[in-house]
Amino acid sequence: EDQVTQSPEALRLQEGESSSLNCSYTVSGLRGLFWYRQDPGKGPEFLFTLYSAGEEKEKERLKATLTKKESFLHITAPKPEDSATYLCAVQAFEDGSEKLVFGKGTKLTVNP
Amino acid sequence: GAGVSQSPSNKVTEKGKDVELRCDPISGHTALYWYRQSLGQGLEFLIYFQGNSAPDKSGLPSDRFSAERTGGSVSTLTIQRTQQEDSAVYLCASSLQEGYGYTFGSGTRLTVV
Repeated sequence: EDQVTQSPEALRLQEGESSSLNCSYTVSGLRGLFWYRQDPGKGPEFLFTLYSAGEEKEKERLKATLTKKESFLHITAPKPEDSATYLCAVQAFEDGSEKLVFGKGTKLTVNP
Repeated sequence: GAGVSQSPSNKVTEKGKDVELRCDPISGHTALYWYRQSLGQGLEFLIYFQGNSAPDKSGLPSDRFSAERTGGSVSTLTIQRTQQEDSAVYLCASSLQEGYGYTFGSGTRLTVV
C-alpha cells in the first residue's frame, strides 16, 4: 500500500529562520509528487508538482526538490504569512487509479 | 466559475438523517475527486470521477456513502443514516487531466449531533 509520511508534524520558526519540511513516500510507480498549502477553514491550495528525481521547482520563498524516496520543501527566510499546513501527496501508477494519496501534513508557524 | 464551489459550507445534522453535499467543479475539468478530512488526520480519498463514471470508489467507507456526477459537471455526495463518526470536512477537487494539480473547493464542514 502506498505510504506518504511527512515530518515534522509541527514546526515553529522565527521570521527569517530558514528550514525544510520532509515528505517520504513508498510507491513503485510514481507519476507525480504534489505539494499543497492549506490555511485554516480553507481547501488545499496547489503549490508544485514534481515528476522525476532531481527535479526542483521554486515559488517565492519556497523550493521543492525530489529524490527517489523523498521530497523536501525548503522555506527560505520565512514570513508570518507563510504560516499554514503544508501537505504532500503522491500519484502512483501501480494501481491504475488517478487519486492522490496525501500525508498528514506539517503545520508551520512563523513568529514575527 | 473561477474555482471549485461546494455547498453548503457548513451542515449540522442529527444522527440518523441523510445529507447531500454538492460540488461544482471548474468548467471543463473532466476529473472530480471527493476527500474527507477529519481533525488531526490527513485527507482521506473517497471517490474519483472521470466524466460521469466512477473508476475508483475504493475509499467510500461504507454503503451509507454514495456519489454521482451528472452532465460531466456537478457532483453530489450522499451520506445516509449519518453517524457521529461521519463528522468531518468533505472536500471536492477537480483537475483538467491526470498529472495536473487538483483545485480544491473550500469544503463542507459536516457535524453530526
